[in-house]
Amino acid sequence: GQQLNQSPQSMFIQEGEDVSMNCTSSSIFNTWLWYKQDPGEGPVLLIALYKAGELTSNGRLTAQFGITRKDSFLNISASIPSDVGIYFCAGQWWVQGAQKLVFGQGTRLTINP
Amino acid sequence: NAGVTQTPKFQVLKTGQSMTLQCAQDMNHEYMSWYRQDPGMGLRLIHYSVGAGITDQGEVPNGYNVSRSTTEDFPLRLLSAAPSQTSVYFCASSYEPGQGFPSSGANVLTFGAGSRLTVL
Repeated sequence: GQQLNQSPQSMFIQEGEDVSMNCTSSSIFNTWLWYKQDPGEGPVLLIALYKAGELTSNGRLTAQFGITRKDSFLNISASIPSDVGIYFCAGQWWVQGAQKLVFGQGTRLTINP
Repeated sequence: NAGVTQTPKFQVLKTGQSMTLQCAQDMNHEYMSWYRQDPGMGLRLIHYSVGAGITDQGEVPNGYNVSRSTTEDFPLRLLSAAPSQTSVYFCASSYEPGQGFPSSGANVLTFGAGSRLTVL
């Protein structure tokens, strides 16, 4: 079945640094999503990508959907303490009208003030 | 508008006990699903439902039952808990899966806050 490889698994950075993480797959997806999970909470959508090659920004966040539909990256610029959490990529596709979704293993971001 | 509400937030069970994790949404979403989150494993789909009266298995369904008698509720039942079911469980919902290629966020999942289950 579809699998996503997300890297890195964890990051330890200084406040103010830029962050980059990515997801790759051998499968093609219709939609690529990036979620963030704060400690003790459920994942919350950050960015959704629908078109191959699409580059989307949301404040300090920028994400791109790979041209082959098999990969995506998420960048965070000038990190701040509230960026701490686990970031998940997710690939979405449809089979006979049913929504299918697979998540990456997550990237745990820790920021030293 | 409460979104997706999960109860309980924390639960400790003994091996062999049964329990139900509750999930309710007030967004009139057709699609509802249950995931479990384990360290280093990401989120794995247990069961899902595309509407009232319709359920299907996900990636890791063994040991769990679900039903969907109403649009709003999607409970997850553990009939005989095992230590391997120690995990954090998330319920998520969205509008009905779109036909064809979506161009909006209508099919994006909204997650509950999670239920942390420990089986001793």
